[in-house]
Amino acid sequence: QKEVEQDPGPLSVPEGAIVSLNCTYSNSAFQYFMWYRQYSRKGPELLMYTYSSGNKEDGRFTAQVDKSSKYISLFIRDSQPSDSATYLCALSPNAGGTSYGKLTFGQGTILTVHP
Amino acid sequence: DAGVIQSPRHEVTEMGQEVTLRCKPISGHNSLFWYRQTMMRGLELLIYFNNNVPIDDSGMPEDRFSAKMPNASFSTLKIQPSEPRDSAVYFCASSFKGANNSPLHFGNGTRLTVT
Repeated sequence: QKEVEQDPGPLSVPEGAIVSLNCTYSNSAFQYFMWYRQYSRKGPELLMYTYSSGNKEDGRFTAQVDKSSKYISLFIRDSQPSDSATYLCALSPNAGGTSYGKLTFGQGTILTVHP
Repeated sequence: DAGVIQSPRHEVTEMGQEVTLRCKPISGHNSLFWYRQTMMRGLELLIYFNNNVPIDDSGMPEDRFSAKMPNASFSTLKIQPSEPRDSAVYFCASSFKGANNSPLHFGNGTRLTVT
């Protein structure tokens, strides 16, 4: 079993739809939770970053973490064609020491928002 | 801010040849990471430097892989000899590890094809 599971999709939605992307994980040591967006032929870019359970909102994006269920989500409201990309969840244990930056990524979900 | 710069963007080589990938991190960042991305395995951490010192190289697949960081503004990842299974996109990422750790910023990767 992988440490982080993410449905690769692909996911296709119409413009304006609400998109829900999810990851589950098995290792309780993960304390930091991130969502990256990766456009074709580009490097991943950070969208959201949180270390606590609950919701964090940034514009049209909301990250949700449920540590008790080991489940994280990213919601995109009013989705746009420019949101079409691969979305990767990334998890990390405590930030200190050798664990710093040692991200474990999900496989990524390919999202297409069509006009 | 120019971001993380990687070169070359594409590399095609024959099996058995030496390959050197290059990375210039963001100025002021003190941590540097090499990741590899494949369809089968997703993004995997290969090695991580802090203040130019290798901290964790447990992800380096074999002795054929080596990485150096001679100064704060340059790192190389070398594969010698290269094999077809090394074909992947190799990403360099940098961040600042300190009182307020910054998330990772990725370059646009080097797409390596070994024939």
